[in-house]
Amino acid sequence: EDQVTQSPEALRLQEGESSSLNCSYTVSGLRGLFWYRQDPGKGPEFLFTLYSAGEEKEKERLKATLTKKESFLHITAPKPEDSATYLCAVQASGGSYIPTFGRGTSLIVHP
Amino acid sequence: EPEVTQTPSHQVTQMGQEVILRCVPISNHLYFYWYRQILGQKVEFLVSFYNNEISEKSEIFDDQFSVERPDGSNFTLKIRSTKLEDSAMYFCASSASQGNNEKLFFGSGTQLSVL
Repeated sequence: EDQVTQSPEALRLQEGESSSLNCSYTVSGLRGLFWYRQDPGKGPEFLFTLYSAGEEKEKERLKATLTKKESFLHITAPKPEDSATYLCAVQASGGSYIPTFGRGTSLIVHP
Repeated sequence: EPEVTQTPSHQVTQMGQEVILRCVPISNHLYFYWYRQILGQKVEFLVSFYNNEISEKSEIFDDQFSVERPDGSNFTLKIRSTKLEDSAMYFCASSASQGNNEKLFFGSGTQLSVL
């Protein structure tokens, strides 16, 4: 069965303290890997799509990278407004295009 | 920027009652979805809908659930006889197509509480 595992479950950072979130996946083949941001009481908001090993995408303080088994979301010099839950979702090869979500990493950035 | 809108934002109901959750997808999108998220758990797929019919559903989407596109703009999820375990945040999403790397646009959700 396809699986998506995110770590850590929760992360507390000081403003300016860079770190990385991990998403590891076991699928028969990868169509695409998505990163979403979810604020409390809101729906997931799309950040990035990656689909081939070695690919990188950047947006402001966030950079997503992809290998054959995992993806990292690097947060450089985070600010309190980066506090949110970050979700990883994987779209596997095969008949279904429906992505499977991980449990997410809850990030809190203290001023 | 176009967005997916959901109503109501909160719904409280008694066990055994029927509820209808409403969504207005982004206007030029063709694929519609319902997901749910039980408190503290992951976002789970329920059903996808295209061309006025269900294209895929999960094992969660049993006979108690149904979806409908009653007009050109609304997309609804009906739960016929709610159970306590149906309490969750329900998200509607839409996408322009359904292929590799196609991103989903989510609404802000309906928090359903079954008492």
